[in-house]
Amino acid sequence: EPEVTQTPSHQVTQMGQEVILRCVPISNHLYFYWYRQILGQKVEFLVSFYNNEISEKSEIFDDQFSVERPDGSNFTLKIRSTKLEDSAMYFCASSEGGDRTGELFFGEGSRLTVL
Amino acid sequence: GENVEQHPSTLSVQEGDSAVIKCTYSDSASNYFPWYKQELGKGPQLIIDIRSNVGEKKDQRIAVTLNKTAKHFSLHITETQPEDSAVYFCAASYKAAGNKLTFGGGTRVLVKP
Repeated sequence: EPEVTQTPSHQVTQMGQEVILRCVPISNHLYFYWYRQILGQKVEFLVSFYNNEISEKSEIFDDQFSVERPDGSNFTLKIRSTKLEDSAMYFCASSEGGDRTGELFFGEGSRLTVL
Repeated sequence: GENVEQHPSTLSVQEGDSAVIKCTYSDSASNYFPWYKQELGKGPQLIIDIRSNVGEKKDQRIAVTLNKTAKHFSLHITETQPEDSAVYFCAASYKAAGNKLTFGGGTRVLVKP
């Protein structure tokens, strides 16, 4: 069964460092997303991406965050200068789009720990 | 924006009993309501969803009901089994393709053998 894959599964970084989280969405999907889950809190929407541009972003997704689809398969989330409060589980997701009403398929997540 | 509240936060049931989780949403424009199951160390996995033109949907032991007037929807799991133990999230969305989900806070379900 096709699945969304994410790397790394866990990353530890120092405050102020840049981090790139990588995702390979399901191959025929057109919409890509990043969500995050701070320990013990709700899963929160960060950004959606379609046709090589951001289609929607939340207030969390400030200038420190960026997304990119550098090639035909990868979808990345970059945090330029990490803060302690960026520590969370980051989930990538993709959806088929078209007539289907947005069934999202999630990856297993990348746990980011900022020290 | 949309706000989704979910209750209870934890639920312990005996194997074979039923489990019910309830969610309310605030935005009457929301039209898509999925439920996700998250097992330890894994990402959320869709288990059932319902759209606003339907009041109830069933898939084997799980069912979801939607009351648009009251803006609430519920997940029902019958004949619970130990493998049903997980965290369950409800969510709501108002867009079609490319939708942004707003999640509830999650319910940790423990099925005791």
